[in-house]
Amino acid sequence: GENVEQHPSTLSVQEGDSAVIKCTYSDSASNYFPWYKQELGKGPQLIIDIRSNVGEKKDQRIAVTLNKTAKHFSLHITETQPEDSAVYFCAATSDTGRRALTFGSGTRLQVQP
Amino acid sequence: DTGVSQNPRHKITKRGQNVTFRCDPISEHNRLYWYRQTLGQGPEFLTYFQNEAQLEKSRLLSDRFSAERPKGSFSTLEIQRTEQGDSAMYLCASSFRGQWGYTFGSGTRLTVV
Repeated sequence: GENVEQHPSTLSVQEGDSAVIKCTYSDSASNYFPWYKQELGKGPQLIIDIRSNVGEKKDQRIAVTLNKTAKHFSLHITETQPEDSAVYFCAATSDTGRRALTFGSGTRLQVQP
Repeated sequence: DTGVSQNPRHKITKRGQNVTFRCDPISEHNRLYWYRQTLGQGPEFLTYFQNEAQLEKSRLLSDRFSAERPKGSFSTLEIQRTEQGDSAMYLCASSFRGQWGYTFGSGTRLTVV
């Protein structure tokens, strides 16, 4: 089955700096790669996703890049703000049917004011 | 519609007792998923419904676990004869059939003592 590795496990940045979180996946058939943000006591919230037919997608301060050859994808957050502090999870799926996701182990992002 | 609702938010039970959790998905979503999340890890897929049909169960879902979605609306997840290893956050998510991204609920945190 699919295996997703995520790093770093913790990341501390100064407000206004950029943050980058990287994930690798094992199944070359994977074709959908979402990123979720989880705040304390809440469920994961989808913040951006990318399909395998594109290499990059942006939404305001957030961008995701995908390298299918190397089987890795990354989340980029620019101009970080204290409210960006949370745990971020990457995920992947190759299943166009049930679309069950395989998640990474998470990155705790701390934005220092 | 206020999103995916899960009840209770917290449950403490003694080992060996049965527990039941409820999930109310977004009303027009026909797909419903259950995931389990342990501390410091990403969510792990448990089972998936399309309308009222349970289409797949993960190997993580032992015989002590059962899930239902009568009439294709709300869903329940029951754990019989709870064990300490069942302590986790149980997350429910829903989506449209043609939609890739999920909406997660806030989860039910189970503690088995």
